[in-house]
Amino acid sequence: QSVLTQPPSASGTPGQRVTFSCSGSSSNIGSNTVNWYQQLPGTAPKLLIYSNNQRPSGVPDRFSGSKSGTSASLAISGLQSEDEADYYCAAWDDSLNGHVVFGGGTKLTVL
Amino acid sequence: QVQLQESGPGLVKPSETLSLTCTVSGYPISSGYYWGWIRQPPGKGLEWIVSMYHSGSTYYNPSLKSRVTISVDTSKNQFFLKLSSVTAADTAVYYCARVKSTAGTPNAFDIWGQGTMVTVSS
Repeated sequence: QSVLTQPPSASGTPGQRVTFSCSGSSSNIGSNTVNWYQQLPGTAPKLLIYSNNQRPSGVPDRFSGSKSGTSASLAISGLQSEDEADYYCAAWDDSLNGHVVFGGGTKLTVL
Repeated sequence: QVQLQESGPGLVKPSETLSLTCTVSGYPISSGYYWGWIRQPPGKGLEWIVSMYHSGSTYYNPSLKSRVTISVDTSKNQFFLKLSSVTAADTAVYYCARVKSTAGTPNAFDIWGQGTMVTVSS
C-alpha cells in the first residue's frame, strides 16, 4: 500500500489531453513539493516534473504539473504514442525524521 | 554528462546481506547533492530505500532502516548499499540515483542508473 494514492490506469488517444491525480496528506504533499517520474517499458524512471511544476531540461512543455492542498496532478497535452509509460508521483514526508514516499504509479495506455 | 552504474551480485541467498555499488562518472560525489537508492520489485512500483550526503547526513526509509547501510568512497567516486537479512520480498531491480534538493529537502531523483536485478533465492 503506497503512501501516495494514484489511479492504477489511464488511457487516451493521440492528440488528446490526459491528467493523472496523486493524493497524499498534510505531512507529504500538503507541506512539501511534488515530483513526477516517467518510466518507459524496460527502462529506468526519468524525472519529468520537480517542485510541483518545474520541467528539467529536455522535457517537452506538453508535460505540466500542479498542486493544490494535499493533491497533485500531472497533465500531458498533445498525447503521443511514445508517452505510453508508467507515471509515478513522489514527495518528501515530514514524519518519522523525514523520508521520500512514492505513489503506486499510473499506467498510461495510448489507444 | 553525469552517469551512474550499479553493480553487484544478481543472486543472494535468504538471510544473507545484499551488497551493491554505484559508480558515478562525470560529477564528483564530494561536490554536492545527496545520493540514493530506490528499488522496484518485479511488476510493482518504486520504493525509496535511502539517501546520503557525502559528508554523512542520511535519510532512511523507516520500514528498512534497521537493515540498511549506505556508505561512500569519494576517492573512487562510488557509493554503496548493504541490505541485511534479505528475504524473497527483497527481490527487485535496484537503482542508484543522484538526489536533487528542493525546498530544503533531498527529494528529487534527477539522474538514475540503469538498474540491476537482484534475486533472493536459495
